[in-house]
Amino acid sequence: QSVLTQPPSVSGAPGQTVTISCTGTSSNIGADYDVHWYQQLPGSAPKLLIFGNSYRPSGVPDRFSGSKSGTSASLAITGLQPEDEADYYCQSFDSSLGGLYVFGTGTKVTVL
Amino acid sequence: QVQLQESGPGLVKPSQTLSLSCTVSGASIISSSHYWNWIRQPAGKGLEWIGRIYTSGSTKYNPFLKNRVTISVDTSKNQFSLKLTSVTAADTAIYYCARVPTSGRLGFDYWGLGTPVAVSS
Repeated sequence: QSVLTQPPSVSGAPGQTVTISCTGTSSNIGADYDVHWYQQLPGSAPKLLIFGNSYRPSGVPDRFSGSKSGTSASLAITGLQPEDEADYYCQSFDSSLGGLYVFGTGTKVTVL
Repeated sequence: QVQLQESGPGLVKPSQTLSLSCTVSGASIISSSHYWNWIRQPAGKGLEWIGRIYTSGSTKYNPFLKNRVTISVDTSKNQFSLKLTSVTAADTAIYYCARVPTSGRLGFDYWGLGTPVAVSS
């Protein structure tokens, strides 16, 4: 039961910028819970890409950036590379139903 | 470095209990700074959080699965486990274990490789 909504797919040519939106509600993103982003390469486990809305773990290229405003968040990939072709998920915490971690519906990024 | 590894049967019959374990290396499961989690992903679909456990044994479960889920910890083995009862085909998925800092600001920072579980007779 994904409560965070993402576009199913986005695409771009190498070098371009793509943006993925993550829309939540007043019980998750809008309640000031942090948003985190994960990259999932085919056949692999998800990997933490952005934490705390906009921070990159060590080793993540600076072409990945995150932001949050109101009940939404965004992940931008600038200077798109072929190796960025993957599924991307946002994640937050939701205070309804006793509290649970929630994920986005996922977005497939295709590099043309 | 921190590593998590899932283990357990890859095939479970309908109505039976799915049991998986996650062995942690490179970190202590009695850490006061982390929750230990189970997350699953049906083929071609998104991620679903199942539940978490703290070193004290305190748990929190996804309310949509709560009546069927039990997560336990074995500190002597640096391991935590998942039991999911009364499984159906809808429980067929890749099951991941993952760590999340208790601060809530850092996301799931380490994941296992995942183990596929099929529910079928």
